[in-house]
Amino acid sequence: RKEVEQDPGPFNVPEGATVAFNCTYSNSASQSFFWYRQDCRKEPKLLMSVYSSGNEDGRFTAQLNRASQYISLLIRDSKLSDSATYLCVVKPSRGTSGTYKYIFGTGTRLKVLA
Amino acid sequence: DAGVIQSPRHEVTEMGQEVTLRCKPISGHNSLFWYRQTMMRGLELLIYFNNNVPIDDSGMPEDRFSAKMPNASFSTLKIQPSEPRDSAVYFCASSFGQGGYEQYFGPGTRLTVT
Repeated sequence: RKEVEQDPGPFNVPEGATVAFNCTYSNSASQSFFWYRQDCRKEPKLLMSVYSSGNEDGRFTAQLNRASQYISLLIRDSKLSDSATYLCVVKPSRGTSGTYKYIFGTGTRLKVLA
Repeated sequence: DAGVIQSPRHEVTEMGQEVTLRCKPISGHNSLFWYRQTMMRGLELLIYFNNNVPIDDSGMPEDRFSAKMPNASFSTLKIQPSEPRDSAVYFCASSFGQGGYEQYFGPGTRLTVT
């Protein structure tokens, strides 16, 4: 099983729709979680951190479910400009080697259609 | 504020040649990460440094790859000799601290080895 798994999509949704992505992780001791956005041929950019209590930033809501080991990203009133690949990022707990390795999912591709 | 700076942005080279990729992290950040991204494998962590010291190089594919960070504002990733399977986008990212802090990515170097 992969450490971080995402549905690759693509998710094709009309403008104004609400869309949600999930990301599952295998290490129950994982500590930090993020969503990054990556546009075609560009670098990943931080979209938002994911807090235990859930958090919202405008049209975007992120939630963490530790019991089921997944995080989610909800986008409301989707815009054409939301079309991108969304990467889930998990930081496991400090390993025996003392490293802080961030694990990236392979991304979920979203296409918002006019 | 200047973000993470990478050079060159594009590199085309012949198999067997040496390739050196360069990165300048965000000023004040003390962790630096080198990633490789391909369609097949997604974003893979190659190596990361904290306070200029290599902490985890378990992702470096083989001895042909080496990375250095001689000071807080500069790092290099070298491939010698290069092979066609090394063709990918190589990203450098930096963050403040090691754990739980978001990473900021440079624009990447698109490497093509023919």
